[in-house]
Amino acid sequence: AQSVAQPEDQVNVAEGNPLTVKCTYSVSGNPYLFWYVQYPNRGLQFLLKYITGDNLVKGSYGFEAEFNKSQTSFHLKKPSALVSDSALYFCAVREGGRGDYKLSFGAGTTVTVRA
Amino acid sequence: DTAVSQTPKYLVTQMGNDKSIKCEQNLGHDTMYWYKQDSKKFLKIMFSYNNKELIINETVPNRFSPKSPDKAHLNLHINSLELGDSAVYFCASSQDRRTGELFFGEGSRLTVL
Repeated sequence: AQSVAQPEDQVNVAEGNPLTVKCTYSVSGNPYLFWYVQYPNRGLQFLLKYITGDNLVKGSYGFEAEFNKSQTSFHLKKPSALVSDSALYFCAVREGGRGDYKLSFGAGTTVTVRA
Repeated sequence: DTAVSQTPKYLVTQMGNDKSIKCEQNLGHDTMYWYKQDSKKFLKIMFSYNNKELIINETVPNRFSPKSPDKAHLNLHINSLELGDSAVYFCASSQDRRTGELFFGEGSRLTVL
């Protein structure tokens, strides 16, 4: 079985400050990990993914995420948050290499960046 | 040109009615999905088709029936609507079944009264 936990329902930061959104995962085999963002009344948009290779992955809009195998984490980060980053963020995982390729999403973390 | 488009954007209907949501993607992708997002924003996969073949069928009531006439289209028909079916339904597509990089539509908000 595979699952994702996003321990924080909400993250609030001031504009210009670093932003971190936490994610931990559980899979049987190698994890394929993803971050998506959902703006109000919109569909989800892909931000970045980790499949293999460098543990630090860079994605869209200045976001990056760090894969940590020992801690089974894949936290999303942005060095300097913008008000326009306010949205709902989803972490997702699937087992790499085989299986039904089904993505499991976390419950989401609402990010609010105040001016 | 919208990559993944779904219609209608809003549906308001009475319990017991039947409704359909249509989805089309112009990305040339092989795989399409239906997801349900509930009022707490929790996202759950319902179905996935790969080249018109059903490959994921989660524990969804059989009142929900997907149909893929070709790989660019995936429709969702819901019979005998219930209050609990109220949600936002998202269509998505991906290049193939292995990638987890999904492209989502804007969603169809279904309200059952």
